[in-house]
Amino acid sequence: DQQVKQNSPSLSVQEGRISILNCDYTNSMFDYFLWYKKYPAEGPTFLISISSIKDKNEDGRFTVFLNKSAKHLSLHIVPSQPGDSAVYFCAARGFSNQFYFGTGTSLTVIP
Amino acid sequence: DTAVSQTPKYLVTQMGNDKSIKCEQNLGHDTMYWYKQDSKKFLKIMFSYNNKELIINETVPNRFSPKSPDKAHLNLHINSLELGDSAVYFCASSQAGSDYGYTFGSGTRLTVV
Repeated sequence: DQQVKQNSPSLSVQEGRISILNCDYTNSMFDYFLWYKKYPAEGPTFLISISSIKDKNEDGRFTVFLNKSAKHLSLHIVPSQPGDSAVYFCAARGFSNQFYFGTGTSLTVIP
Repeated sequence: DTAVSQTPKYLVTQMGNDKSIKCEQNLGHDTMYWYKQDSKKFLKIMFSYNNKELIINETVPNRFSPKSPDKAHLNLHINSLELGDSAVYFCASSQAGSDYGYTFGSGTRLTVV
């Protein structure tokens, strides 16, 4: 029973172009969403977050969009850089501060 | 360095053995967690623990048990290891009300042979 889904296991983008990573969730009670970035042999690290009362949050090259009616969020990276190549996990906060994670999308930025 | 550190980073062991993975955080966080990342890359919570409450994912076999000697440590003990236990195990910590979610350790790759 996976409440957070990332349906694209991988994505390749040319350097300088936009990367769009998508995430869908099923539980309308989730109140907070995060994106994590993970390099090989390291733990996930926090990238950007958004509260359920907002529809957009921007931090430099990274923007997260939330569409509550569609239960969908996306992460936009523009312009994409080779150092952005990593696995990106979306996560949603539910009851008791517990986060539910998607299965990740592996982003490759081609120089 | 402020961090969540877990040891060992790699663990290879035989079926039937008992093993432990240690986790320490020096961030002053009030809650610690264990996550399992299986072969399908799915990050699934196993336990969450603060000084008041242990929450166990009911799908976790009782061969797995968390031990917390103090707020800064949450170790994972696994008895009678099975082949299906092979995975990467991540420790994490968080502070209630934080906007940054969890801080993860770098993971322990467990291989049961």
